[in-house]
Parts: sequence; structure tokens; C-alpha cells
Amino acid sequence: KNEVEQSPQNLTAQEGEFITINCSYSVGISALHWLQQHPGGGIVSLFMLSSGKKKHGRLIATINIQEKHSSLHITASHPRDSAVYICAVSPDSNYQLIWGAGTKLIIKP
Amino acid sequence: ETGVTQTPRHLVMGMTNKKSLKCEQHLGHNAMYWYKQSAKKPLELMFVYSLEERVENNSVPSRFSPECPNSSHLFLHLHTLQPEDSALYLCASSQERAYEQYFGPGTRLTVT
Repeated sequence: KNEVEQSPQNLTAQEGEFITINCSYSVGISALHWLQQHPGGGIVSLFMLSSGKKKHGRLIATINIQEKHSSLHITASHPRDSAVYICAVSPDSNYQLIWGAGTKLIIKP
Repeated sequence: ETGVTQTPRHLVMGMTNKKSLKCEQHLGHNAMYWYKQSAKKPLELMFVYSLEERVENNSVPSRFSPECPNSSHLFLHLHTLQPEDSALYLCASSQERAYEQYFGPGTRLTVT
């Protein structure tokens, strides 16, 4: 079992729908990261959080440290949100990130 | 030029060739990373440099050779690669190793 699990692996939705992507982890962490990777390959950091909730535009990230779980929400989804969303954690034990396999999101117009 | 840049963006090479990938960061960071991303697999950390010293080498074959001449530049020298080395190679940088990483656009490498 991977130390960072994301679900779903693939998600297709209609424009305007509320999107939720989940991330569960099994190690103690100092921070959790959500990143976005577009088809061209480049990766952009969306959030780094260690507790509670963060919001940026239509994106919201939450984390529950006790349950070792985080969610990324997208409100009023748009085709330009289509990308792979990756969860990664910074474990307590060292500085290296542990990566999830990613969730491929497709938003249809 | 801002952020993290990588050149070339695409590279096709034969198994007997020698080539180099270049990464440059304009963010004043002191840690730099090489990652490999193969299809449908999580990112694999290859090398980490902190203050120009290699601090991590994740059992990467010797046909991959990193070089960090200063805190802004990172190279990955490639020689006698195998077809299974075909992947997206991503460079990243951060201010201190535990902090948020910033990624370059990647080099799509195909080994024929």
C-alpha cells in the first residue's frame, strides 16, 4: 500500500459541477501539498497546508490531521481546470516529499 | 526570465548518445531537485542538491550524472541510456529543503 493514496484516479465532470478530490496518507507529516499538472507537463503548487483550510479563488483545500486526510475542492468547475491534481506530503522524518499517483480531472463544456 | 526554466523541452537520443539537461532557477533558492515522471507513476525523486552539495541520490543508475555548479544551475548528464529511461524529467527548487517546491516545465526525453 502506498503511503499517499488519492481518489478517484480519474474524474470526468460537466462544467459548473463541484469537484472533490481526496488524499489519504499513513505517515506523520509536517505539511501536505496540492499541485496541478497540465498536459504540457509543468507542475504548479496550489496549496501547502498543515492544518485547517485554505482558499484561493475557486479552489479550497482542507486537511484533517487526526484522520490523515485532505480534500481539494473546485467550485464552479471550468474546462481549463482539466489537469492532473497531485497530493504530496512532507513527512516528519525527513524533508523529501512522498507523492500520490495523481487524479486526472476532465471538465467537459 | 522568472521561475524555473529547463532546456531542452524535448529530446530524442539514441542509446549511445551523450546529452545534458539544464535547469536554471531565478528565485534565489538554495535547494534543487531532479525528478523522473514515467507514465501513470508517481514522481520519483532522483537527486537533491542543497547549497550546491549533493545530499540525496535515490539509487539512480550511474548513466545519470548530476552536476550543480552553483545554486542557480543544475545539470543532468545522460549517457548510454536505455529505452525505459524515456520519461518526463522535472527540475524543482525550494528555499530550504522542507519548503514548497517550484517546478520547471520539464524535458520530455525519448530514448530510441
